Amino acid sequence: GQQLNQSPQSMFIQEGEDVSMNCTSSSIFNTWLWYKQDPGEGPVLLIALYKAGELTSNGRLTAQFGITRKDSFLNISASIPSDVGIYFCAGRRGAGNMLTFGGGTRLMVKP
Amino acid sequence: DTAVSQTPKYLVTQMGNDKSIKCEQNLGHDTMYWYKQDSKKFLKIMFSYNNKELIINETVPNRFSPKSPDKAHLNLHINSLELGDSAVYFCASSQSGSKGDTQYFGPGTRLTVL
Repeated sequence: GQQLNQSPQSMFIQEGEDVSMNCTSSSIFNTWLWYKQDPGEGPVLLIALYKAGELTSNGRLTAQFGITRKDSFLNISASIPSDVGIYFCAGRRGAGNMLTFGGGTRLMVKP
Repeated sequence: DTAVSQTPKYLVTQMGNDKSIKCEQNLGHDTMYWYKQDSKKFLKIMFSYNNKELIINETVPNRFSPKSPDKAHLNLHINSLELGDSAVYFCASSQSGSKGDTQYFGPGTRLTVL
């Protein structure tokens, strides 16, 4: 099925640094979502984007719905150790609720 | 209160056995899903049920049979388990509508087939 290309696959950063990750596709998506998965848990929704160009924040997290509707970005400012986990982008192309997930970005934060 | 719950959390079994995983949501949602997450953490949709009716059935072996006794429950039965079935299985739910994309995930069931 349709796959979203998420990068980077992993990041190892120092506490306090800012983080950026993105998701791209060759197809247009109508909705972009960003999830975080902690070890041993299910993904938890962080931010939902419904409109091209939309920029939405959730605390230190900011995500954007790309103008072309083929990409999305997630930024985390001033990272802290509890930001550790796997971040997934997910997109919905059209009617119905089927989501396509990216391969995930594994974030590691060094105190 | 737990929104989406799954049992069991861990399941270790022998090849060839039949097993079931249960899922319940107390969010009042009308749509439920099963996802498979492999060892590389790829999340792939398997099934989706809306109001107890199957609406998505991705390419999944027919050894996998979902059953939805009511809107709050979606169980997954797996026959003749194979080594390649080892993975983490996530249940999720959402409410259909213009912004029904917000899917809430359960904690996962880690299935290990020996």
